Amino acid sequence: GAGVSQSPSNKVTEKGKDVELRCDPISGHTALYWYRQSLGQGLEFLIYFQGNSAPDKSGLPSDRFSAERTGGSVSTLTIQRTQQEDSAVYLCASSLAWRGENTDTQYFGPGTRLTVL
Amino acid sequence: AQSVTQLGSHVSVSEGALVLLRCNYSSSVPPYLFWYVQYPNQGLQLLLKYTSAATLVKGINGFEAEFKKSETSFHLTKPSAHMSDAAEYFCAVTRNYGGSQGNLIFGKGTKLSVKP
Repeated sequence: GAGVSQSPSNKVTEKGKDVELRCDPISGHTALYWYRQSLGQGLEFLIYFQGNSAPDKSGLPSDRFSAERTGGSVSTLTIQRTQQEDSAVYLCASSLAWRGENTDTQYFGPGTRLTVL
Repeated sequence: AQSVTQLGSHVSVSEGALVLLRCNYSSSVPPYLFWYVQYPNQGLQLLLKYTSAATLVKGINGFEAEFKKSETSFHLTKPSAHMSDAAEYFCAVTRNYGGSQGNLIFGKGTKLSVKP
């Protein structure tokens, strides 16, 4: 079946502009995660959605970052007033996470490479 | 709080040689541990995971890892390296999220090079 998809694959923007990154999880997966991968910081957790629960936003680096998940499926990560330090690969993952299973595999999308000039 | 430490940001082996990538974890609760691989310009792919069922875990592409509680380690091994194994490898632990799986906490990664 289809895996996690992300769009766009590459995004180049100017400092100060807003950007939206999209993630389509695997159908039926209730949990969705956003991570950021950068040279200096490695792989960092950003935000986590689980079913209808309030999202865990503890990894968002600033209030310029926000995310939503509509209808329990597609998610959009929005970065407002982008800065050069936002340049990174943004990865989305989803998992079945059914009945609080601790060992469900997280399946990753190919990522969106964001470059802020 | 959970964390993982990967020793060696870069490991180089000859084709056919043993691959050993080191990972140590810290966790106040029984951990769930994962190894992911990332090929250039691609997303992360699960190699194997430890879920407390068996301490020796076999994964894809001939990789395996052994959970050693006494050493708080989860090292990744492969008996014979292949050129196609060249990639970056990440060890990860799941954050305990009130009994449910939370986000993954990753190590810094180890880039594996395989020489012909």
